Amino acid sequence: GDSVTQMEGPVTLSEEAFLTINCTYTATGYPSLFWYVQYPGEGLQLLLKATKADDKGSNKGFEATYRKETTSFHLEKGSVQVSDSAVYFCALNDSGGGADGLTFGKGTHLIIQP
Amino acid sequence: DTGVSQDPRHKITKRGQNVTFRCDPISEHNRLYWYRQTLGQGPEFLTYFQNEAQLEKSRLLSDRFSAERPKGSFSTLEIQRTEQGDSAMYLCASAQVGRASSEQYFGPGTRLTVT
Repeated sequence: GDSVTQMEGPVTLSEEAFLTINCTYTATGYPSLFWYVQYPGEGLQLLLKATKADDKGSNKGFEATYRKETTSFHLEKGSVQVSDSAVYFCALNDSGGGADGLTFGKGTHLIIQP
Repeated sequence: DTGVSQDPRHKITKRGQNVTFRCDPISEHNRLYWYRQTLGQGPEFLTYFQNEAQLEKSRLLSDRFSAERPKGSFSTLEIQRTEQGDSAMYLCASAQVGRASSEQYFGPGTRLTVT
């Protein structure tokens, strides 16, 4: 079945550091890929997405590129802020277009220190 | 607030009792999803509806779980004869399928504790 593996947390960085959170996936079809973020006390929010190979999703300074050859969708940001502290989830949908149930990774807790 | 809402936000129940949760999706959304999230894990898909029709159920959804969306608007998730292993956050999400973006919008969740 489908699965998503993302790096274990917590990840602790200093403000303005470069961020990478690794995500790899296994899927039977040609999935759409997503990063969701959960800020403290809030619900899950879509951060960015990509629906085909080599697509780059971007939002709020975060980027991730759909790499079919390495089945990866790593999340990056050039300069993190304290306000980026949250739990980040990589997810996929294997029915195209993101309409059906999502398969999530376990989440990576990011802590940014001032 | 026009987002997805869930009620109650917290529920504590004794083992063996029945519980029911409600989800109100974004009003024009035709798809509604239920997920379960346990501590330290990502959400796990349970089931979804297209309007009032339940189209897919995960094998995680045992016979003690039932979900309905009777008029294609709000949905309920009932757990019968609760067990301690049912303790989790139950998340609801909605989406408008057919548009270019079928992003799933999540509610705040209902945290269930079975004692």
